[in-house]
Amino acid sequence: DADVTQTPRNRITKTGKRIMLECSQTKGHDRMYWYRQDPGLGLRLIYYSFDVKDINKGEISDGYSVSRQAQAKFSLSLESAIPNQTALYFCATSDRDRETGELFFGEGSRLTVL
Amino acid sequence: GQNIDQPTEMTATEGAIVQINCTYQTSGFNGLFWYQQHAGEAPTFLSYNVLDGLEEKGRFSSFLSRSKGYSYLLLKELQMKDSASYLCACMDSNYQLIWGAGTKLIIKP
Repeated sequence: DADVTQTPRNRITKTGKRIMLECSQTKGHDRMYWYRQDPGLGLRLIYYSFDVKDINKGEISDGYSVSRQAQAKFSLSLESAIPNQTALYFCATSDRDRETGELFFGEGSRLTVL
Repeated sequence: GQNIDQPTEMTATEGAIVQINCTYQTSGFNGLFWYQQHAGEAPTFLSYNVLDGLEEKGRFSSFLSRSKGYSYLLLKELQMKDSASYLCACMDSNYQLIWGAGTKLIIKP
């Protein structure tokens, strides 16, 4: 089983619908992140959380919200999806005690908004 | 502004050597990362450089020059499984990662 699990892996939805992407991890890491990846662009940070009570906006947080339900769970919501939110979304974790700050990614959630 | 530049695509031959370059401009510097991403999969960590010089790890090596804002990833003895995108990312003074768009490496037999 993957250490960082995302659900759903694929989702097609319509404009205006509410969507939630969920992420859970068994690595015991405090830090969790949500990124989106678009063709021709680098990974862009949406939100990040350094522990359960710490939530921070990233580079492109508009139109998104997050919830850190537990150390192991971090979910991303699109309250009213729009077509330009069509992208590949990745959850990632890191260990605050690890010198390199290496990220461990989930398998990705491909979202299509029609 | 902050920027990471790397070539969009490169082609190399199985068994050969390839060098993927990355230049960066960031507000401060706290390390440079290389990740590998196979099509449709998650990125996986390859290397981290924070001091100038070459870090070798098996067939892969990564080089950093902080004064030049430059890094490269060197892949030796290329195998077909090395066909993937290679992502360069720089950690700025706020410990935030700035990502390049990635270099798609195509390996030909």
